[in-house]
Amino acid sequence: DAGITQSPRHKVTETGTPVTLRCHQTENHRYMYWYRQDPGHGLRLIHYSYGVKDTDKGEVSDGYSVSRSKTEDFLLTLESATSSQTSVYFCAISGGVGELFFGEGSRLTVL
Amino acid sequence: GENVEQHPSTLSVQEGDSAVIKCTYSDSASNYFPWYKQELGKRPQLIIDIRSNVGEKKDQRIAVTLNKTAKHFSLHITETQPEDSAVYFCAAAVGGSGNTGKLIFGQGTTLQVKP
Repeated sequence: DAGITQSPRHKVTETGTPVTLRCHQTENHRYMYWYRQDPGHGLRLIHYSYGVKDTDKGEVSDGYSVSRSKTEDFLLTLESATSSQTSVYFCAISGGVGELFFGEGSRLTVL
Repeated sequence: GENVEQHPSTLSVQEGDSAVIKCTYSDSASNYFPWYKQELGKRPQLIIDIRSNVGEKKDQRIAVTLNKTAKHFSLHITETQPEDSAVYFCAAAVGGSGNTGKLIFGQGTTLQVKP
């Protein structure tokens, strides 16, 4: 498996609180992505990064922000969590030939 | 915006039978079409992919076909086994970004292979 880890793996939080999920890679890949997975919706792209400090929005970016200050780290922040953001979040990396390698996922529950 | 439709949402077959999952995409510039398998509680993993310059690709018991004119691609699994039971996702690269990993996914197909 590609060297990609997510933290935390599980988190329960309350509506209105900020949450940050971290994705760390050891592959030195240029491209990094955050997806969310919900039943009936597959995987939907939230934000992505083409390099350090180079990020862009995906399909479902409202309520989320990202930062990439180092090649190996890609952070996803929910500024004020809502119940609709309860989901499983997957980070993914790509070396530039198309294939995505996914992390193990972070399960977030917003009460 | 770009869209990928996947059918069926659930599929149940007997062990040894074939399974076919179909996807259609909307972005005519898409040039890369991967398929991912996700076992329960695990991460999605790539099982096969195809690029727009080929019409078919095989890897042992799995194959993918692509019809660019119809904007349609399919996954074929032959001689299914219980370990093939999982959720399968198709995807299409957005706007010709076939080398960057920016993908739009279908909704997923839950395949159950009955022993």
